This record gives sequence, C-alpha cells and structure tokens, in this order.
Amino acid sequence: EVQLVESGGGLVQPGGSLRLSCVGSGFTFSDYEMNWVRQAPGKGLEWVASISRSGSTIYYADSVKGRFTISRDDAKNSLFLQMNSLRADDTAVYYCAKYYFDFWGQGTPVTVSS
Amino acid sequence: QAVLTQPSSLSASPGASASLTCTLRSGLSVGTYRIYWFQQKPGSPPQYLLGYRSDSDTQQGSGVPSRFSGSKDASANAGILLISGLQSEDEADYYCMIWRNSVSTYVFGAGTKVTVL
Repeated sequence: EVQLVESGGGLVQPGGSLRLSCVGSGFTFSDYEMNWVRQAPGKGLEWVASISRSGSTIYYADSVKGRFTISRDDAKNSLFLQMNSLRADDTAVYYCAKYYFDFWGQGTPVTVSS
Repeated sequence: QAVLTQPSSLSASPGASASLTCTLRSGLSVGTYRIYWFQQKPGSPPQYLLGYRSDSDTQQGSGVPSRFSGSKDASANAGILLISGLQSEDEADYYCMIWRNSVSTYVFGAGTKVTVL
C-alpha cells in the first residue's frame, strides 16, 4: 500500500523558516517524480514544486521561486521542502504527492503569523 | 483570465449524470493536454480520479469506479469529467489540472463543488 506521511509543519513568524518532510512507503521511491501542493484555508489547490527521479530537474511555482527549495533523499525515501522568508500568504496545508499526483499524503499545516 | 476555469458549483439528483467542465484559456488548445481530475472531500486530502488525453489514453486512478470518466469538448476548448449514476458519496470538490510544458508549471482549476440533492 502506497503511503506518504508529511511532517514539519507548525506556527512560524513572518520572515521565518520551516523544513517539511515527506516519507514514502509501499513503492520504490527513487523511481518517481515527487511534488508539493498546498491549500490555503478555504481555498483551492496550488502546485508548489516538483522534483524529478534523479533530482536533476526541479520546477517551482512563481509564488515560491527563490524562497522555497525542494529536495529528496532516496536512501531515506524522503522528500523535503525548505521554506525560507515565509509570508502570511504561505499559510496552508502542504501535501506531498507522488508522480502524476496519483497518491497524496494527509498534509501538514503551516501557519505564518506573528 | 485564469488558465483553467471551472464552474464554482453544480447540483444534481442521485442517479443522474453530472458533467464537470474545465475550460482552457484562449491560446491553449485542449487537444494538446492531458487533463487530470481530483476529488476532495472535507477534511481529506485530494484523491486522484483520472488523467484524460483521449479515449485510448486515459489513466484511471487505482480503485476509481468506471462511472468516473473523462472526455474533451474541442469546440468549447474544455476537458470534461463525467460522473454517471451520482451517489451521495460523490458530494465533494472536484479540481482539474494540466501541465504547461511551455512554462514548466502545473496549474489547477479553482474547483467545482458538487452537491447531490
């Protein structure tokens, strides 16, 4: 059974940083592109970033480019999202999703507030 | 103008069929995209339904019933999610998505809230 478990969310002040993690199981993690998607309270889905199987190709949404960094550690079946210079409008539940978004984690909430 | 436009809501009766549209912005041709569809119920993460490029090229999600199907309307420049035999459990928000290769981004529509009356 495919499982994705996110962690690392929490309350952070504007300008602060957080590092999100996502651990995958039930599939060969290294074989798949991985993604981060977020959802602000009461709002729709917003794609954040994607990373290729090897980690050599990375894409970001314009709204996070230069502030967020996606990475992976295939030895630990893990996906990461380093979030710097956080703003109030980054407040959302952050989901990791496998490949063409065929499986999603339960999400981890991030609140940016003073 | 949004890249993907979805109606904000749709209501239908149990047992009826519901056709959800995802209209691409002018300048983007629906024929060149795979349209992905997701279902999200309150308090739960999105669930992948299917990715439709053509009748011969559809990626149905694992365990997703065949009453969820995809199509395109080229004249309307829209992707369509058809839900046949609506059930109360189909009440949810539905999102469409595409990959825009020209700008290397995924784009989601704003979602359609489906109510089964």
